[in-house]
Amino acid sequence: EPEVTQTPSHQVTQMGQEVILRCVPISNHLYFYWYRQILGQKVEFLVSFYNNEISEKSEIFDDQFSVERPDGSNFTLKIRSTKLEDSAMYFCASTYPTARVSSYNEQFFGPGTRLTVL
Amino acid sequence: DAKTTQPNSMESNEEEPVHLPCNHSTISGTDYIHWYRQLPSQGPEYVIHGLTSNVNNRMASLAIAEDRKSSTLILHRATLRDAAVYYCILTYSGAGSYQLTFGKGTKLSVIP
Repeated sequence: EPEVTQTPSHQVTQMGQEVILRCVPISNHLYFYWYRQILGQKVEFLVSFYNNEISEKSEIFDDQFSVERPDGSNFTLKIRSTKLEDSAMYFCASTYPTARVSSYNEQFFGPGTRLTVL
Repeated sequence: DAKTTQPNSMESNEEEPVHLPCNHSTISGTDYIHWYRQLPSQGPEYVIHGLTSNVNNRMASLAIAEDRKSSTLILHRATLRDAAVYYCILTYSGAGSYQLTFGKGTKLSVIP
C-alpha cells in the first residue's frame, strides 16, 4: 500500500541552525501539508501546498519557514534559523489526486520527524 | 470554524465495543465529519468520515445524529492496537485546502 515517508526520523540541531525536513508524498497526490506537534500538545497545521505554491498557511508559518517541491517527488520544510520552541514532531501529509481538494478527501500522514533544538 | 467537543479519555475492555462520542453543535450543512486516530509515537491515521448518513468501513462505524450536532465513532471489538488518541474533526467547507484542525481528542485505553 502506498505510504508517505519522511526523513530523517530524528534531527538534532543547535539553535540558530538551518534544518530541512524531507517528505515523499504518495506519488499521484497533488495536495501536500506540513503539521507539527509539540510534545504533549495538539497537532497543528502549518502549511498546505498545491501546484507548486503555498495554498494556505497558519500563523505559525512565519518567515523562518519555507516549503519546496524541488524535484516532483520530494516535499521539503526548511526552518532557516531554528529556535528552542521549534522542537516538535513534524508530520507531512498528502491527499488525493484530484484537481481540487474537497472537504471529504482523506489525508495520508507520514510517520513524522522529531526535531530537537538544543 | 465549527468546533468539536470530546471526552478527554475513555477506557474499554479488549474485545468489547467502544462508542466514542463527539459533539459539534455549530456544524454547518456542508461540513464533513472526520475521525482520525494517532497511535503512540505515530502520525495521525484516517479512520472514517461522513456527511449525513451512517457509514461503515473495515475499521469502524460512524453514527451521525439526525440533526448532525453529534456523532459517535464505534469500534466493534476493541483490540490492544486500538489504544490511541481519537480525533473528531470537521473539515472547513469554504474555499481552501481543507487542512485538518485537531483538538485534544479522546485518549482510548484498552484493558486486556
